[in-house]
Amino acid sequence: RKEVEQDPGPFNVPEGATVAFNCTYSNSASQSFFWYRQDCRKEPKLLMSVYSSGNEDGRFTAQLNRASQYISLLIRDSKLSDSATYLCVVNRRGGSNYKLTFGKGTLLTVNP
Amino acid sequence: DAGVTQSPTHLIKTRGQQVTLRCSPKSGHDTVSWYQQALGQGPQFIFQYYEEEERQRGNFPDRFSGHQFPNYSSELNVNALLLGDSALYLCASSWGGQPQHFGDGTRLSIL
Repeated sequence: RKEVEQDPGPFNVPEGATVAFNCTYSNSASQSFFWYRQDCRKEPKLLMSVYSSGNEDGRFTAQLNRASQYISLLIRDSKLSDSATYLCVVNRRGGSNYKLTFGKGTLLTVNP
Repeated sequence: DAGVTQSPTHLIKTRGQQVTLRCSPKSGHDTVSWYQQALGQGPQFIFQYYEEEERQRGNFPDRFSGHQFPNYSSELNVNALLLGDSALYLCASSWGGQPQHFGDGTRLSIL
């Protein structure tokens, strides 16, 4: 079983839609969690960290369920500029200075 | 304030050759991690350097080696290149428990 598994995608949605990405991780010792965004042929960029209490940044909401080892990302009112690959990332230690384990990524295309 | 810089941007090599990729971390960062990203996959951790020593290593063979210099910059060396080594090689730098910042990557093609 892969350490981090994501929805295979791709997702094609119209502008203004709400889209949800799901991710599960296998190592219960994992301590910190992130969503990264990667544009085509570009480097991954941190979108947001994910906390047990859930956290929101504008149109983006991330949730973590440690008991189920499940992470989610919700994008509301999607924009054309949200088109990218979304990577679920897990870190076995607190903070971000340990190795990051990435999911395969889910491609999102937002259509006009 | 320069971010993470990597060189070269693109590289073409043939099987059996050796390659060296370079990375300069973001100013103030002391830890450098290297990742390999094959087409259609997420990045895979190769190793991490801190205080000029390899601190962690992923599931990569000994053909992959690295180095960190006193100014925190780093090199990734790959010997005896295989076709399967074709990928985007990403360098990420960080400090303390802060998020890792990635460079643009080096796209390596093996013919």
